[in-house]
Amino acid sequence: DGGITQSPKYLFRKEGQNVTLSCEQNLNHDAMYWYRQDPGQGLRLIYYSQIVNDFQKGDIAEGYSVSREKKESFPLTVTSAQKNPTAFYLCASKPVLGTANTEAFFGQGTRLTVV
Amino acid sequence: QKEVEQNSGPLSVPEGAIASLNCTYSDRGSQSFFWYRQYSGKSPELIMFIYSNGDKEDGRFTAQLNKASQYVSLLIRDSQPSDSATYLCALYRGTGRRALTFGSGTRLQVQP
Repeated sequence: DGGITQSPKYLFRKEGQNVTLSCEQNLNHDAMYWYRQDPGQGLRLIYYSQIVNDFQKGDIAEGYSVSREKKESFPLTVTSAQKNPTAFYLCASKPVLGTANTEAFFGQGTRLTVV
Repeated sequence: QKEVEQNSGPLSVPEGAIASLNCTYSDRGSQSFFWYRQYSGKSPELIMFIYSNGDKEDGRFTAQLNKASQYVSLLIRDSQPSDSATYLCALYRGTGRRALTFGSGTRLQVQP
């Protein structure tokens, strides 16, 4: 089945620790995205990538880093510089061609908690 | 001003009624508009999208777009308790940032 897989589903981070969230897709989509969602809030864009080896900052990139070495994979690292990382993280992908009129498909999300 | 504005709700409607969800946006250059439904603790799922002025119908759902007024809405006919969720409005600019921008969502409660 085609889709987007995020792992882990739940992640606990200690203060000062870096953690990496995995996102893999087999939809052959060029564009991939990371969003953050806080309770009762909408989705805020962290980073996005339209093509392998290229990515752009979104609205809240500080304290996060990404890489796009393969078309299928777009991992997100939450660094110790992110002071309030507890949130629900969503990865999405989308075709680039005709992209204005195509939906973004979402993974199941990773819930990150600082302990 | 937020790029995408939604009333947070909750919007409460009785079962079988029409639910009307509204969204306004600030960037006149926005090309297309998406409605996602999100159940608590789950990821968003697409209901429908619209990019031309007017109405677009899909089953019990109708999206309405008025670019002159910078307004997009979602109507849910014959609302069911299973429609109770948060509805997220999103737009795609098409120029500059090539990513969906989301509103904060409207929580809908359908009372049995």
